[in-house]
Amino acid sequence: QPVLTQSSSASASLGSSVRLTCTLSSGHSSNIIAWHQQQPGRAPRYLMKLEGSGSYNKGSGVPDRFSGSSSGADRYLTISNLQSDDEADYYCETWDSNTWVFGGGTKLTVL
Amino acid sequence: EVQLVESGGGLVKPGGSLRLSCAASGFTFSSYTMNWVRQAPGKGLEWVSSISSRSSYKYYADSVKGRFTISRDNAKNSLYLQMNSLRAEDTAVYYCAREDHGGDCFDYWGQGTLVTVSS
Repeated sequence: QPVLTQSSSASASLGSSVRLTCTLSSGHSSNIIAWHQQQPGRAPRYLMKLEGSGSYNKGSGVPDRFSGSSSGADRYLTISNLQSDDEADYYCETWDSNTWVFGGGTKLTVL
Repeated sequence: EVQLVESGGGLVKPGGSLRLSCAASGFTFSSYTMNWVRQAPGKGLEWVSSISSRSSYKYYADSVKGRFTISRDNAKNSLYLQMNSLRAEDTAVYYCAREDHGGDCFDYWGQGTLVTVSS
């Protein structure tokens, strides 16, 4: 079963950019992952599906400020022109052998 | 517009049972695999169970295997989770989530329903 590793926290200033990382465990570096945003007190929201090639497909209504990229076992979520409501927890998830796995989540603080 | 609305949560004693429901609308429910995902207070997301579009396949996390049963009624556009032998560690918000057609990710989430297991 894959393991997804995320930093527990990140911070960046209003209007700047930030890149969050999700790292796939050994043997799973080609997995497709997805990024989800969870604002405080709300349900998760699907942001995008991201392949090992770096190709990504965003969910309906996700702003252009959100983009994805990949390098080896690392999957990135980049948020540009940070807004106050980008302050949230961000989770990555993937699938293998009929089970789903989530990363521990990164809490993003917008300064 | 895709909508997933969970219900059935509440307070239950350890060892008790509860049945969660998820009402789906805005898409062809019978064409999609559906899932339950939970989140304990202050914790991350944990996948619980999935069911294929025609109920042919059902999968469970080890933490709930033998205690929880997933089911669906495509005629009613509804997903269910029967939870038996509940434990304190099952306390969480339970979300239903739709799997995309490629089976690669969860592309829509419900708003969640809170289950509290406590004496």
